[in-house]
Amino acid sequence: DVKVTQSSRYLVKRTGEKVFLECVQDMDHENMFWYRQDPGLGLRLIYFSYDVKMKEKGDIPEGYSVSREKKERFSLILESASTNQTSMYLCASSFSGPGSPLHFGNGTRLTVT
Amino acid sequence: EDQVTQSPEALRLQEGESSSLNCSYTVSGLRGLFWYRQDPGKGPEFLFTLYSAGEEKEKERLKATLTKKESFLHITAPKPEDSATYLCAVLSTSGTYKYIFGTGTRLKVLA
Repeated sequence: DVKVTQSSRYLVKRTGEKVFLECVQDMDHENMFWYRQDPGLGLRLIYFSYDVKMKEKGDIPEGYSVSREKKERFSLILESASTNQTSMYLCASSFSGPGSPLHFGNGTRLTVT
Repeated sequence: EDQVTQSPEALRLQEGESSSLNCSYTVSGLRGLFWYRQDPGKGPEFLFTLYSAGEEKEKERLKATLTKKESFLHITAPKPEDSATYLCAVLSTSGTYKYIFGTGTRLKVLA
């Protein structure tokens, strides 16, 4: 079974703090993704990476950056957390073959106060 | 513009009462349509991939079907443990990595 592991289930941070969300997958997937999920808005893509050190912006990249130094690890960074970044953050991975499904981690519930 | 719409938003069933969830999509070209189950506070769990009209996939009480405009997730004789939010997503040919998600159907199965 594919395993996508997010380092924290719950996180509480203060406004202005720098926040790191870590994600590791064990299936040698080429692609990795960060989404946020909010009630009524569904899943929105923040960033994705199709190879080590490669990244592309998704639909809502403002206020976020990412890092992929190793194939299995993809980090999401909130440079200066704000209250509107309170959300559920989901990491996913997939093979690069056409039509491959996403496999998700269990999410990190981030609260910024 | 690529789009996915799921209906109904919420559905309550009695245990054993079969029903279907709908996922309508508009894409320039379909690479794949995906169904996920999501329990509260957890990440989506992959269920099925469908690639072309006429295709069907089954897993326990769930059966997914695909036409050129929509997909159905049929739930036969559901049990309370089938209660969850079911998400549909499509991957279109217009973007290699752009998965488009619906907002889901919240299913509650009553004992």
